[in-house]
Amino acid sequence: NAGVTQTPKFQVLKTGQSMTLQCAQDMNHNSMYWYRQDPGMGLRLIYYSASEGTTDKGEVPNGYNVSRLNKREFSLRLESAAPSQTSVYFCASSEVGSSEQYFGPGTRLTVT
Amino acid sequence: QQQVKQSPQSLIVQKGGISIINCAYENTAFDYFPWYQQFPGKGPALLIAIRPDVSEKKEGRFTISFNKSAKQFSLHIMDSQPGDSATYFCAAPTNTGTASKLTFGTGTRLQVTL
Repeated sequence: NAGVTQTPKFQVLKTGQSMTLQCAQDMNHNSMYWYRQDPGMGLRLIYYSASEGTTDKGEVPNGYNVSRLNKREFSLRLESAAPSQTSVYFCASSEVGSSEQYFGPGTRLTVT
Repeated sequence: QQQVKQSPQSLIVQKGGISIINCAYENTAFDYFPWYQQFPGKGPALLIAIRPDVSEKKEGRFTISFNKSAKQFSLHIMDSQPGDSATYFCAAPTNTGTASKLTFGTGTRLQVTL
């Protein structure tokens, strides 16, 4: 039981490049979330998916898109990376209606 | 937008001392207030949580105190140990029906010295 896994662990992009961050969970959770973590700002919600087939914007969605591929997988795409998107990205999952979220190990992204 | 104000930003405590971290939240009718612990290079992990129908919850050396009328809750770490050195986040939920969106505080970096 791996919990929540994320790939890649580290990534360096040039401004304007695109990439997709992958997330998968094996806990049969319905809800999944993407956060970014910046120094002094805590974790901020980018997008979430309440259940398979639905996605909604969080607090900071600009510059990102998401895909809920199936119940297990939730990906985050940066279409044209900007230096302001340099951050650590965390994926999380939870049971339906539960505030108890389980986090992955994170992806450290640097945009130059 | 639900806001959660967390203090202090950083905290240094001697081994064996008590660490106290405070959070204040805005109006909410929801029923779960978690604390997450994060070690460097790792994702946050749920440490302890409280529902507002109780004023205190204790798990080992960790205690949450909840003051519903003041819209505040705090984490107390008794007999703090060097292994407790981590960043702690409080959170408050906004339920959307099926998903529960957490708004996190800005975090408290705790360092426990020998």
